[in-house]
Amino acid sequence: EAGVTQFPSHSVIEKGQTVTLRCDPISGHDNLYWYRRVMGKEIKFLLHFVKESKQDESGMPNNRFLAERTGGTYSTLKVQPAELEDSGVYFCASNPVGIGEQFFGPGTRLTVL
Amino acid sequence: GDSVTQMEGPVTLSEEAFLTINCTYTATGYPSLFWYVQYPGEGLQLLLKATKADDKGSNKGFEATYRKETTSFHLEKGSVQVSDSAVYFCALSDDQAGTALIFGKGTTLSVSS
Repeated sequence: EAGVTQFPSHSVIEKGQTVTLRCDPISGHDNLYWYRRVMGKEIKFLLHFVKESKQDESGMPNNRFLAERTGGTYSTLKVQPAELEDSGVYFCASNPVGIGEQFFGPGTRLTVL
Repeated sequence: GDSVTQMEGPVTLSEEAFLTINCTYTATGYPSLFWYVQYPGEGLQLLLKATKADDKGSNKGFEATYRKETTSFHLEKGSVQVSDSAVYFCALSDDQAGTALIFGKGTTLSVSS
């Protein structure tokens, strides 16, 4: 069974540009989560989808971040325009409803110059 | 709000040494507790978990016991190997259905032969 995949693995952009990160959860997992780790700090929750609906987006830092999950399969996280403080590793995770363990992808390392 | 505090790293050990990584938490209610591990170049993997007080999670020689009285979930291994070199994250979630995970800052372990 394929795990959670994320694309790209690395992205280097300049301040003010737009970047879109993609996450493909494990097939059949209705829950999908986005997290971010800024260097040296905690991994912080961004938002949670159940199928295509946003269940909790309390961790989204500001309106420059837009997450979608059309059709309840893969998800995208767009940052527009990117700022220096957006640099970090963005993780995606998924799990079936009712299961505590979350299955993580390898992350996307975003560097904003 | 809920939080997780784990010991700062890096932790450097020789092969076969005993490992302890301290983790304490603050939470209302009865959270589930997790240890995740990130090996170099890979995503986060669940190492072990415990869902109620006095439960002991174990995997790959690692153990952690859910101590409600001390609000702790310390990770231990009796004899570390070079292959255990990784970043270890302590985390909690509010319920077994696994809503947003709350992570500690991570502890980097380096084991030399």
